[in-house]
Amino acid sequence: GAVVSQHPSWVICKSGTSVKIECRSLDFQATTMFWYRQFPKQSLMLMATSNEGSKATYEQGVEKDKFLINHASLTLSTLTVTSAHPEDSSFYICSARRRLDGELFFGEGSRLTVL
Amino acid sequence: DAKTTQPNSMESNEEEPVHLPCNHSTISGTDYIHWYRQLPSQGPEYVIHGLTSNVNNRMASLAIAEDRKSSTLILHRATLRDAAVYYCIIRGTGNTGKLIFGQGTTLQVKP
Repeated sequence: GAVVSQHPSWVICKSGTSVKIECRSLDFQATTMFWYRQFPKQSLMLMATSNEGSKATYEQGVEKDKFLINHASLTLSTLTVTSAHPEDSSFYICSARRRLDGELFFGEGSRLTVL
Repeated sequence: DAKTTQPNSMESNEEEPVHLPCNHSTISGTDYIHWYRQLPSQGPEYVIHGLTSNVNNRMASLAIAEDRKSSTLILHRATLRDAAVYYCIIRGTGNTGKLIFGQGTTLQVKP
């Protein structure tokens, strides 16, 4: 089956630093990728929609300058959390929409802890 | 996309069937009913989806009410590995893949 890989799976960083999380579709091309954030015991919250070669569309309340999204190819999207603070600690999940048939596949998630 | 309502939690005994309900009274005629589940510390995993007819796959069955305003995910024999949060999501045909997750149902499976 189709695989979406996120890297790193977990990361710990100091407050004020920036962290980049990668989302790759390993065996298919993805026209669109989505980024979600999930706090403990809560559901997934959509942050932004990322289309290859164009600017990401952010959901209401999500700061685009804080969460930089780049979708440079049909197999890679990156989320950079800039100047991270402890309240940014969360589980970040991406999903990818397969170009061939529109099916969706989720990554395994990346856990960010900001000290 | 239509909103869904699910019970917050359910319990089941191992090896017994589990019926997870979902209400989606505002579903439109071309909307698909999707189910995903999320195991602890993992991304969501696709379970099953359907439009009008009941569906079966190796993971589960999906029973859709005749008026399509509700559906039930059926796990025929629950195992401990089925303990997860189950999300029922309505996805329109024009949907680009943007899924809106509700709170889902947390399924506990007792040995």
